[in-house]
Amino acid sequence: QKEVEQDPGPLSVPEGAIVSLNCTYSNSAFQYFMWYRQYSRKGPELLMYTYSSGNKEDGRFTAQVDKSSKYISLFIRDSQPSDSATYLCATSGRNFVFGPGTRLSVLP
Amino acid sequence: EPEVTQTPSHQVTQMGQEVILRCVPISNHLYFYWYRQILGQKVEFLVSFYNNEISEKSEIFDDQFSVERPDGSNFTLKIRSTKLEDSAMYFCASSVAVTSSPLHFGNGTRLTVT
Repeated sequence: QKEVEQDPGPLSVPEGAIVSLNCTYSNSAFQYFMWYRQYSRKGPELLMYTYSSGNKEDGRFTAQVDKSSKYISLFIRDSQPSDSATYLCATSGRNFVFGPGTRLSVLP
Repeated sequence: EPEVTQTPSHQVTQMGQEVILRCVPISNHLYFYWYRQILGQKVEFLVSFYNNEISEKSEIFDDQFSVERPDGSNFTLKIRSTKLEDSAMYFCASSVAVTSSPLHFGNGTRLTVT
């Protein structure tokens, strides 16, 4: 079983839609959870960081963690074409582990 | 906002040649990392470095690879004898603390081995 799984997409949505991106992880020792945005040929850019179950909001982005089901989500409200990128979830326990990323396209 | 900087942005080299990829981590960060991303694939861990020594390394990080912090600001990845399959984006990252604070990435060096 892979440590962090993520639907690779691609996911296409119209501008203004609410986007839901999801990951599952296998190791209950993972304590910290991150979402990164990666534009083509650029480094991953940290969007959200949390270490507890529940929701964390930052502007149009909300990260949700459910440790009981080992499920993490990122919601993007009022999506914009500039949100078109690959979104990587990551967890850490002893080391950082990344999901393969979901490619998102927001169509104008 | 402080950032991780990497040079060069693109490096082309011939198979068998040595390359050195350079990184300047964020100044108050103590943990340093190299990751690799082959085109279209996931970000893969290579090595972590703390207190002037390797903390962890993956099975990708074989004897052809080495890391060094030659001074107080630079962090380098050396590939001794490049292979075609080393062609990838190489990302440097740093963090304040191990795993309990997030990684901050540079924009990467695109290595092309011909």
